[in-house]
Amino acid sequence: AQKITQTQPGMFVQEKEAVTLDCTYDTSDQSYGLFWYKQPSSGEMIFLIYQGSYDEQNATEGRYSLNFQKARKSANLVISASQLGDSAMYFCAMREGLGNRDDKIIFGKGTRLHILP
Amino acid sequence: DSGVTQTPKHLITATGQRVTLRCSPRSGDLSVYWYQQSLDQGLQFLIQYYNGEERAKGNILERFSAQQFPDLHSELNLSSLELGDSALYFCASSVRDRGSPLHFGNGTRLTVT
Repeated sequence: AQKITQTQPGMFVQEKEAVTLDCTYDTSDQSYGLFWYKQPSSGEMIFLIYQGSYDEQNATEGRYSLNFQKARKSANLVISASQLGDSAMYFCAMREGLGNRDDKIIFGKGTRLHILP
Repeated sequence: DSGVTQTPKHLITATGQRVTLRCSPRSGDLSVYWYQQSLDQGLQFLIQYYNGEERAKGNILERFSAQQFPDLHSELNLSSLELGDSALYFCASSVRDRGSPLHFGNGTRLTVT
């Protein structure tokens, strides 16, 4: 079963607009972490933001914020005032199983974001 | 710079051959993860090591194997290579904490011809 679902394979957004990238997850763990990564065309994986399952406030890092709705099991990434340099592939990931032997980090299939000038 | 070093950056080899990919984790990180990313695909989890011990296995083929050495560097061995093994192979390291992200190396791009 898919543990991380990103339903938007691709998105086109006008520069300076805000954009929301969707991510839903599935876990039976009470303690887990959610992450977003950016992969530009150069290929490297860049860590953007983290949200813990017990964190009551939504995480923010500069122009990035994570809209965490625990009951809905969603962890959407919001990028404010998008820039041309935001064009990239974005991956949602979940870390579960902590405290167990297997500490897995599973990635979604990604959303390719295109920022239009 | 993530602090994770992967070598080589590029590798071109023929079908049926065997290659070894190497990873040095970030200083202080005991966990090492290997992922495979095929063209325009997500990251497929292969295997995880913690302080030299295998901890989790994902969709890793029997032709593939890995190990983590006492100095914490890790190697991923790919044998009897097929065209479909062409991909970007990432190594990542982390501390064992739910709030800690994976720190990725720049990857090894493997091309099997």
